Order: sequence, then C-alpha cells, then structure tokens
Amino acid sequence: DTEVTQTPKHLVMGMTNKKSLKCEQHMGHRAMYWYKQKAKKPPELMFVYSYEKLSINESVPSRFSPECPNSSLLNLHLHALQPEDSALYLCASSLRTSGGTSNTGELFFGEGSRLTVL
Amino acid sequence: GDSVTQMEGPVTLSEEAFLTINCTYTATGYPSLFWYVQYPGEGLQLLLKATKADDKGSNKGFEATYRKETTSFHLEKGSVQVSDSAVYFCALNNAGNMLTFGGGTRLMVKP
Repeated sequence: DTEVTQTPKHLVMGMTNKKSLKCEQHMGHRAMYWYKQKAKKPPELMFVYSYEKLSINESVPSRFSPECPNSSLLNLHLHALQPEDSALYLCASSLRTSGGTSNTGELFFGEGSRLTVL
Repeated sequence: GDSVTQMEGPVTLSEEAFLTINCTYTATGYPSLFWYVQYPGEGLQLLLKATKADDKGSNKGFEATYRKETTSFHLEKGSVQVSDSAVYFCALNNAGNMLTFGGGTRLMVKP
C-alpha cells in the first residue's frame, strides 16, 4: 500500500464553522506533513509531524490546528477560517524527516482536500 | 538557503514532440532531486528521482539526470502525449530538510 488517503475530497464551509480534514497512510512512515496549495502555485509547507510530535509550524494562524493521533493518522482542524484560506490542502508522508541510508527524502502526497470558505 | 528555479510556462507542444523542462537548483551539500507531476484536480505524484550526481531518474518515458557541475535536473521526454498535460514541479530535499519546490511548469499537449 503506497497510498496517502485524504478525506473529504471537497469541503465547503462558512467562516463560523468548525470542520476537520483527515489523512491516513499505512506505509510505516514516521513523518507526516500538511501543505497548502493555491491555484497555479507550488505547495507551501504548513506543519510537519515527526514520530507523532509537531516538529515544524511554519507560522500558520491558530485557526488551523493540526493533530497526529497516531503514526498513521493526521488531522487538520479548521475553525473561523477566512475566504482567503480557500485552497487545496495536501497531506504527505515520508519515511522520516532525516537520516538513514534508506531515506532518499521523497514525500508521498495524497489527492488533496479542496476547501472553499464562504 | 536552498532554492529551485524552473522555466516558466505554459509550455505548449504538439503530440509526439520532444519535451524539455529546465530545472536548476542552489543548495549546499548533496541534495536528492525530484520531479513531481500534478494532473488537473489531483495531488502531486512522484514522477522520478535521483539521489546523487550523475544518477538518471526515469519513469513513464520521462528522464532527468542529476548534473552537479551545472546544478541542473532537466526533465525530458522523447514523444509527449495529450495525457502528459499537467503541471510539473522540480524539487530538492537536502539532508533531511523539507522539500523545496520550484514554481511549477504547466505543460499543454495538443493533438
């Protein structure tokens, strides 16, 4: 199984709603990532979890709250978002964030969750 | 810091034409290099990779060679198909740091 599965594929929410994006992988990867991608732009890193601990937060507003319940699951909790937060949110995983001769550094991406904030 | 520069698109080609998408990078040490492809409405898929100088990555008819002397990793395909229409991202990963992406190049292949 070389897949990263994201749900939902599409989400429309109002600015007062609370919703969550979910991501799952069963490749035994110990690093998981959230990226945000706007149209015609490369993905921008938001958060990195390494061995279920938050290791990088790229100064993301607190209305985005990540959670890593276990090594296979990654959530992104959304609250009080703004219309400019509308984007494709991509989850990714990798063997680990650093080290090891088997770690060539590639990330495996999910299909993404397309979020629209009204 | 690390950076990746790709040729700006869109690149528009006729079916069966030869494709080159240029990618150059700036990084300390010996990064791993990647090409990712993003089809419309989808996530990123790893297309090919190279982990050391002179390595050639290949997949689905696409190739790229890790050239340390010119800090380049140009993507090539001998005969493109309409189904290759997508956005292509060059990226590097340097000693466990996060992926650094280029700006992406949109390829449009016309029948």
